[in-house]
Amino acid sequence: QQKVQQSPESLTVSEGAMASLNCTFSDGTSNNFRWYRQHSAKGLEVLVSIFSDGEKEEGRFTAHLNRANLHVSLHIREPQPSDSAVYLCAVSSEPGTGSNRLTFGKGTKFSLIP
Amino acid sequence: GGIITQTPKFLIGQEGQKLTLKCQQNFNHDTMYWYRQDSGKGLRLIYYSITENDLQKGDLSEGYDASREKKSSFSLTVTSAQKNEMAVFLCASSLDWVSYEQYFGPGTRLTVL
Repeated sequence: QQKVQQSPESLTVSEGAMASLNCTFSDGTSNNFRWYRQHSAKGLEVLVSIFSDGEKEEGRFTAHLNRANLHVSLHIREPQPSDSAVYLCAVSSEPGTGSNRLTFGKGTKFSLIP
Repeated sequence: GGIITQTPKFLIGQEGQKLTLKCQQNFNHDTMYWYRQDSGKGLRLIYYSITENDLQKGDLSEGYDASREKKSSFSLTVTSAQKNEMAVFLCASSLDWVSYEQYFGPGTRLTVL
């Protein structure tokens, strides 16, 4: 069964600093990885989807995937106050089965110091 | 574009009560999902429906029933609310069962007194 862990639990950075969030998973055959952002009392907004090793950029958000190391990260360039939210990592639950079920991490609470 | 609507936004119930949460989507998506989000525990899948008239149990289905009334709507029933229970229930939809892109509603926050 896929296991997903995120670190750190919370992260505070100063304006202008790069933010880095980490996610580890247990099944290296996974082929679908997503980073979501969740503002308080709101639904999830997908930021980046990545399907193969390497890097994928979507605006100020960049995901790095290394399946050999069972690791996917999210980097936020020039974080804005509106980026203060909980960030969730999601990984395919049953790789190779055709199922699109996702396993979610517990999230990283990100805050920006102006 | 489309939108997912969840009602009610806040739900307060009594222990043992049967409570129903509703979800509507206008994406014309085939597949819909119900997740439960507890503080510090991430999202867990309760029920999903691959197409209209289909119903599948997720990892956390005990204590819940679900109903896919039509393609655009998917309801979740808490069969017997547990005292001091607090969680957010999120509805999502995707184009089909092989599409990984899931779109989420704003959630229903449940409090049981």
